[in-house]
Amino acid sequence: DAGVIQSPRHEVTEMGQEVTLRCKPISGHNSLFWYRQTMMRGLELLIYFNNNVPIDDSGMPEDRFSAKMPNASFSTLKIQPSEPRDSAVYFCASRGGQGALSGANVLTFGAGSRLTVL
Amino acid sequence: GENVEQHPSTLSVQEGDSAVIKCTYSDSASNYFPWYKQELGKGPQLIIDIRSNVGEKKDQRIAVTLNKTAKHFSLHITETQPEDSAVYFCAAIISGGYQKVTFGTGTKLQVIP
Repeated sequence: DAGVIQSPRHEVTEMGQEVTLRCKPISGHNSLFWYRQTMMRGLELLIYFNNNVPIDDSGMPEDRFSAKMPNASFSTLKIQPSEPRDSAVYFCASRGGQGALSGANVLTFGAGSRLTVL
Repeated sequence: GENVEQHPSTLSVQEGDSAVIKCTYSDSASNYFPWYKQELGKGPQLIIDIRSNVGEKKDQRIAVTLNKTAKHFSLHITETQPEDSAVYFCAAIISGGYQKVTFGTGTKLQVIP
């Protein structure tokens, strides 16, 4: 398995532009998480999906952020319009199944997308 | 919701010494406690985890202890090596069902050769 795949790995854009980050979770995993990491705030959970349905988006900073999961193998995080304070590393992670005795709780992260908004 | 606190935020040790990172959690229903290691430029990776039915788990040079009564758990790294230098995150999770995963604020460990 190739693991969780994120693209792009690096993105530099100007303030006001739209940014779309993409994630392909591990096949068979039914939960997907988007995190943002900054020096000041650490790893912040933005939103997570179960079976392609958004469960908790309370971490999404504001209406400029949106996330979708149209199918089990793809998710996007969009920022429109982007601002310099959105500069961060955005991680996607996936988790499989349910049950305390399985590996269901193990969260597998992608390599991240480093976003710089000028 | 669950609140996880992690200390210290930075830790420097001499190569060969031990390192200890501590976390506390708020929700007594949490029963799964993973630790992740994040190397520079990479995503966090699971290195060890413990479930609430055990008090300690060891894997070579790393170990995790859990005190359910006090609601805290710790990561212990013995005989530290330069390659242990990274940021370490803890989390406390209610396993089963659809639960979000909240991480501690991270500990930057530096092992000085």
